[in-house]
Amino acid sequence: SQTIHQWPATLVQPVGSPLSLECTVEGTSNPNLYWYRQAAGRGLQLLFYSVGIGQISSEVPQNLSASRPQDRQFILSSKKLLLSDSGFYLCAWRGGGYGYTFGSGTRLTVV
Amino acid sequence: AQSVTQPDIHITVSEGASLELRCNYSYGATPYLFWYVQSPGQGLQLLLKYFSGDTLVQGIKGFEAEFKRSQSSFNLRKPSVHWSDAAEYFCAVVPPEYGNKLVFGAGTILRVKS
Repeated sequence: SQTIHQWPATLVQPVGSPLSLECTVEGTSNPNLYWYRQAAGRGLQLLFYSVGIGQISSEVPQNLSASRPQDRQFILSSKKLLLSDSGFYLCAWRGGGYGYTFGSGTRLTVV
Repeated sequence: AQSVTQPDIHITVSEGASLELRCNYSYGATPYLFWYVQSPGQGLQLLLKYFSGDTLVQGIKGFEAEFKRSQSSFNLRKPSVHWSDAAEYFCAVVPPEYGNKLVFGAGTILRVKS
């Protein structure tokens, strides 16, 4: 069966520090992968999506970047975190029939 | 502008009472429609989805949703709410012209009082 792993679950980082969040999918090949952010009191905003290795689409201008070095790996990064980067980050993959599966999320607090 | 609207930020209902959460979309053609639930600090769980066919869709946990094309709505309902239903609920769409994206509404926080 297909599973999605996302880590770490929680992260506290100082302003100006780098960030790397990893998401991996098992049990499928060539999935569409997504990064969403949920800021406090707000809905889920699509940040990036990828339809294949090295293919990244950015939805909103921001301090973050994404990479897909392997078919089932999707990484969210930042060189220098801002306070406004705090939030709950969710990775997702899209299976057949528009079935989206979400990871358990990473709670990022920038201090 | 194209969007998904959940007009109620918070809703409080008594345990055992009925529930309806509203969702409206604004797209030129009917998108694929979804409802997700998120418990505190957790990921998202799919409740139900609508692509075509019967406009009343049954989901998990006793939830159902009705698609109304004339109103561009996809409201979520449950006849009798349980305390464990307290969570945040998100309506989401795959817009017809953006087949690779799942776009969310702002969410509705449901509180259940005993």
